[in-house]
Amino acid sequence: GQNIDQPTEMTATEGAIVQINCTYQTSGFNGLFWYQQHAGEAPTFLSYNVLDGLEEKGRFSSFLSRSKGYSYLLLKELQMKDSASYLCAIMDSNYQLIWGAGTKLIIKP
Amino acid sequence: TAGITQAPTSQILAAGRSMTLRCTQDMRHNAMYWYRQDLGLGLRLIHYSNTAGTTGKGEVPDGYSVSRANTDDFPLTLASAVPSQTSVYFCASSPGQGSTDTQYFGPGTRLTVL
Repeated sequence: GQNIDQPTEMTATEGAIVQINCTYQTSGFNGLFWYQQHAGEAPTFLSYNVLDGLEEKGRFSSFLSRSKGYSYLLLKELQMKDSASYLCAIMDSNYQLIWGAGTKLIIKP
Repeated sequence: TAGITQAPTSQILAAGRSMTLRCTQDMRHNAMYWYRQDLGLGLRLIHYSNTAGTTGKGEVPDGYSVSRANTDDFPLTLASAVPSQTSVYFCASSPGQGSTDTQYFGPGTRLTVL
């Protein structure tokens, strides 16, 4: 079967660093995506990993370990506007996205 | 460019009525998708189309139908709505078909079936 797990909710302080984990079990793997979704809005693309390692993009970084079925999204220098849900999604062997339920990140001043 | 547009923004529908959710993209993307998003669950794929003239079933296709007469439009029809179809519906598109291209989302339609 296919399964993607993320924490339901996390809280962090403005200016700090937060790591959002995603673990998965899938029958096929063509990469892992992270999306950001502000309340009442559409998901927007953040990152894509298909090889093991860390991909850095400004304040956001994403890590993948295929052997462990594990990824994380690292957000540095947190800003209030980073308050959102962060969605982990696996692209399966049919090039369809399988989505986790998302992690709601609350930033406190 | 507008990207992806969806209409209506929100709708309240009586059970048993039919409705079509509209989705249009101006990016000339080949692939288009319909998802529903419910509280506590991940986005779930309803139907998809890899290119104009073709459609496929996703994870939760029952009660929904789609058509893809041209590249730009991908309407989703509920033939006879039921309360369990109350959800937020997102349309998305990606450049390629059967590829790892990023999917881009429309603003969503919030549907309530009473």
